[in-house]
Amino acid sequence: GDSVTQMEGPVTLSEEAFLTINCTYTATGYPSLFWYVQYPGEGLQLLLKATKADDKGSNKGFEATYRKETTSFHLEKGSVQVSDSAVYFCALSSQGAQKLVFGQGTRLTINP
Amino acid sequence: EAEVAQSPRYKITEKSQAVAFWCDPISGHATLYWYRQILGQGPELLVQFQDESVVDDSQLPKDRFSAERLKGVDSTLKIQPAELGDSAMYLCASSLPGTRGYNEQFFGPGTRLTVL
Repeated sequence: GDSVTQMEGPVTLSEEAFLTINCTYTATGYPSLFWYVQYPGEGLQLLLKATKADDKGSNKGFEATYRKETTSFHLEKGSVQVSDSAVYFCALSSQGAQKLVFGQGTRLTINP
Repeated sequence: EAEVAQSPRYKITEKSQAVAFWCDPISGHATLYWYRQILGQGPELLVQFQDESVVDDSQLPKDRFSAERLKGVDSTLKIQPAELGDSAMYLCASSLPGTRGYNEQFFGPGTRLTVL
């Protein structure tokens, strides 16, 4: 079945550091790919998405590129802030389906 | 801004008791989802509704879990009897119906269940 594997955390960085959180997936066909973020005490929020190969999703300085050849969707940010501290989830939605399949999540802590 | 509402936010119960969670989706969202998020893991779909009909309940433990959306608006998820392994965050999400492609799911704040 479909699955998502994320880089294990927790990840701790200093403010203004470069961030990469790795995500790879297994799915048939052409899934849509997503990054969701969960801030403390809040629900999941969509951070960015990509619906076809080579698409780049971006939002709030975060970027991720849909790489079909490596089945990856790595999340990057050039300069992180303390406010980026949260849990990040990579997810996919299979072609023709609506449900989301999530990775296990990566907890990110940014120190000032 | 419209939001998905869930209640209660926290629930503590003893094993073998019954619990129920409520979700009110964003107005106009015909598709409603219940996910379970065990601590340290990603959410897993339990049940998906399209209006009042169940579209996918393949991962719902039907011997103890039930879900309904009688009028195609709000929904209730019930567990009876609760077991220790049911301790988790229960998330509700809603979206516009998918005709082609994916429609963004909007998540509520969740209900954190602790079974003692």
